[in-house]
Amino acid sequence: GQNIDQPTEMTATEGAIVQINCTYQTSGFNGLFWYQQHAGEAPTFLSYNVLDGLEEKGRFSSFLSRSKGYSYLLLKELQMKDSASYLCAVKGDYKLSFGAGTTVTVRA
Amino acid sequence: ETGVTQSPTHLIKTRGQQVTLRCSSQSGHNTVSWYQQALGQGPQFIFQYYREEENGRGNFPPRFSGLQFPNYSSELNVNALELDDSALYLCASSDNRQGNTEAFFGQGTRLTVV
Repeated sequence: GQNIDQPTEMTATEGAIVQINCTYQTSGFNGLFWYQQHAGEAPTFLSYNVLDGLEEKGRFSSFLSRSKGYSYLLLKELQMKDSASYLCAVKGDYKLSFGAGTTVTVRA
Repeated sequence: ETGVTQSPTHLIKTRGQQVTLRCSSQSGHNTVSWYQQALGQGPQFIFQYYREEENGRGNFPPRFSGLQFPNYSSELNVNALELDDSALYLCASSDNRQGNTEAFFGQGTRLTVV
């Protein structure tokens, strides 16, 4: 089975840093994805980790530890437009299994 | 823009009716996956099609069925609609030939069952 956990909500101030944690227990692992989803819109790809370590992409970074079943998404220099839901997803043999999403609210 | 288009964008159906949702995959992508996303939840995998064959299925009843066409576009059919089928239905396309990692999502179809 698949079990992917992430916090429900987080709030941060514009310009600050927020870290969204994701823990997973899955029957197969072919990589971990982070998606951003604004209300009523489709998820958009942010990052992909398949090996342990940190992947940096502009203001967003993602970290993976396969032995711990743990990942985090780091959002730096927060902007108002970063207010959205952030989905952690694990790729098994052929499908993505998603967490419920973390709603990030950025306040001025 | 991901190049994945879904139609219609919104739909209202009555309980017991049938619905067909459509998805055009990104050019060059041979695999289409369908997901159901209830309000406040993450997307749940329904099934995947690769080269016109079902390649895997999630925990959904048989009244959820699908097709993939030679041009790799796809349909999701749901029979005997229930109120709990109200959700955002997402289509994602990918290219398995390269062992590709990324799935590109369409904008979704918002289905409301009344």
